[in-house]
Amino acid sequence: DAKTTQPPSMDCAEGRAANLPCNHSTISGNEYVYWYRQIHSQGPQYIIHGLKNNETNEMASLIITEDRKSSTLILPHATLRDTAVYYCIVRVEPGNTPLVFGKGTRLSVIA
Amino acid sequence: GAGVSQTPSNKVTEKGKYVELRCDPISGHTALYWYRQSLGQGPEFLIYFQGTGAADDSGLPNDRFFAVRPEGSVSTLKIQRTERGDSAVYLCASSLTAGGRHEQFFGPGTRLTVL
Repeated sequence: DAKTTQPPSMDCAEGRAANLPCNHSTISGNEYVYWYRQIHSQGPQYIIHGLKNNETNEMASLIITEDRKSSTLILPHATLRDTAVYYCIVRVEPGNTPLVFGKGTRLSVIA
Repeated sequence: GAGVSQTPSNKVTEKGKYVELRCDPISGHTALYWYRQSLGQGPEFLIYFQGTGAADDSGLPNDRFFAVRPEGSVSTLKIQRTERGDSAVYLCASSLTAGGRHEQFFGPGTRLTVL
């Protein structure tokens, strides 16, 4: 799987949008961008994934650049419960390949 | 419905002992994964089952680690002659392979401490 690069940490004020960047400059044409998050002492939780079009669900939005070399996960109105480590992963889909996690971005939402 | 469950939640053992960690996946999920997570790191893949068979065990660090899933549901990760370096959180995940959905659902993990 292609390697991803994320900032180690970010802060966001409660109620504001949290924009988490991810670089994946070596992504292949058949690789999707996945985002998971891990709240303290819990297992990772799936958030969203996409190939090249922007995606939105009840949790977040995913914006992928036209060249697919980077993406941004957007939490539109961050709450204290969104404090977690966010992982950006590239993965071939469809398939059941294992997830390859980096160190992620530790997002702290501040009241 | 019920999520992925793992038992025990915590396990403390002594160096050289044998341990078994159990994972109960979501009912109907045919794929099951084991990962381990060291402090400050992301989860690291160990082994993946499709049904009863291990489809990919390339992440197992050495032959002290073994996993089974005899009936295609519950899985057990077995570690022989434990070492202090085996201390980590062991995570299990399952996924439904039908319908093009491949998101993995994770359990809360088992925290293994080897003294």
